Amino acid sequence: SQQGEEDPQALSIQEGENATMNCSYKTSINNLQWYRQNSGRGLVHLILIRSNEREKHSGRLRVTLDTSKKSSSLLITASRAADTASYFCATEALQGGSEKLVFGKGTKLTVNP
Amino acid sequence: EAQVTQNPRYLITVTGKKLTVTCSQNMNHEYMSWYRQDPGLGLRQIYYSMNVEVTDKGDVPEGYKVSRKEKRNFPLILESPSPNQTSLYFCASSRGGQLNNEQFFGPGTRLTVL
Repeated sequence: SQQGEEDPQALSIQEGENATMNCSYKTSINNLQWYRQNSGRGLVHLILIRSNEREKHSGRLRVTLDTSKKSSSLLITASRAADTASYFCATEALQGGSEKLVFGKGTKLTVNP
Repeated sequence: EAQVTQNPRYLITVTGKKLTVTCSQNMNHEYMSWYRQDPGLGLRQIYYSMNVEVTDKGDVPEGYKVSRKEKRNFPLILESPSPNQTSLYFCASSRGGQLNNEQFFGPGTRLTVL
């Protein structure tokens, strides 16, 4: 079963608005990562947040982590058309006897100019 | 420039014709892996390698082979491709293990098996 699941599956906003995406996971983690993927291209790492961190910033990105609720959120402020992409969270999961990095199915963000 | 390269970027082939997708990174990363991405299924790991001569199965290894003879290269081999291997493939690398390090992804290889 999926370790990390993003919500919503799709989000459409106007340029300048903020976009919030959520990720929920099932088992305890040491850290959680967010990636961006432009259509058909490779994923690009955005932020890694550790389990002892509650919030992390990088430019217009703000990531929060609530380990008690097993959830994380990615906020993009003052969105731009260039932010149009799919956003994935990635967490550790124990699969087949070893820990692996498991990606959610992503939130598809469309920023309309 | 630090990067992961994959070749070819696009490939159309026929069932049963052996093919290799190459992956190379110039960051001296120990960890490399292959993923496939399919609509509705997300990104699934095929194989990974912790270092030279060390490879292990991911979630969907059936029908694939890999090798890690050199640190920089991690080719994906499809000995007898089938239509269900039509997918978008990504190679990735990271320093150390994947769980607490940023992964660098290649640009992807779009494979169609007829």
